[in-house]
Amino acid sequence: AQSVTQLDSQVPVFEEAPVELRCNYSSSVSVYLFWYVQYPNQGLQLLLKYLSGSTLVKGINGFEAEFNKSQTSFHLRKPSVHISDTAEYFCAVSDRGATNKLIFGTGTLLAVQP
Amino acid sequence: DTAVSQTPKYLVTQMGNDKSIKCEQNLGHDTMYWYKQDSKKFLKIMFSYNNKELIINETVPNRFSPKSPDKAHLNLHINSLELGDSAVYFCASSPAAGQGRANEQFFGPGTRLTVL
Repeated sequence: AQSVTQLDSQVPVFEEAPVELRCNYSSSVSVYLFWYVQYPNQGLQLLLKYLSGSTLVKGINGFEAEFNKSQTSFHLRKPSVHISDTAEYFCAVSDRGATNKLIFGTGTLLAVQP
Repeated sequence: DTAVSQTPKYLVTQMGNDKSIKCEQNLGHDTMYWYKQDSKKFLKIMFSYNNKELIINETVPNRFSPKSPDKAHLNLHINSLELGDSAVYFCASSPAAGQGRANEQFFGPGTRLTVL
């Protein structure tokens, strides 16, 4: 079974500052890793995903994440945030089986202040 | 065109009632999902269908019954609604495993269910 831990429920940051949202996972098998973003009153949108290959993954809106197998982490980063990045961010894992079942973390609210 | 759509967007009903939420995708995907997001924003998979066949059935009360009339539609029927069913329900779709981009799920806008 897999699990995902997002230790920070809320991350306040000033506009144009860098940000890192932390994600750690637990799994006995190889996994795929994802970051999704949920803007207020909307569905989830895929930011980026790690399937294999390069451990540094670039996504939409200037976000990137680094897969660290030894630390079982997949932290999300952005060098300079905008007010429009204010949203809930979810880390998720799936095993490499046939069901594509996603296990989500509890989410981190990124609150960008002017 | 909306890729994954859900109706209704809001649903307010009394305890004990039966209600349905509909989901449609126009992406040509074979696999569809239902997720529940509770008041603390925690998201949990409920069901998944691959080409009309149930492939994921999590520990969900049997008051919840998914129905897939074709691979573009996955509806969720809930009997005897309870207060604890209040949540946002999200539908999603993806290509089937083994197809390109199989691991990218596309989510609908959600249906906010309030049980009074």
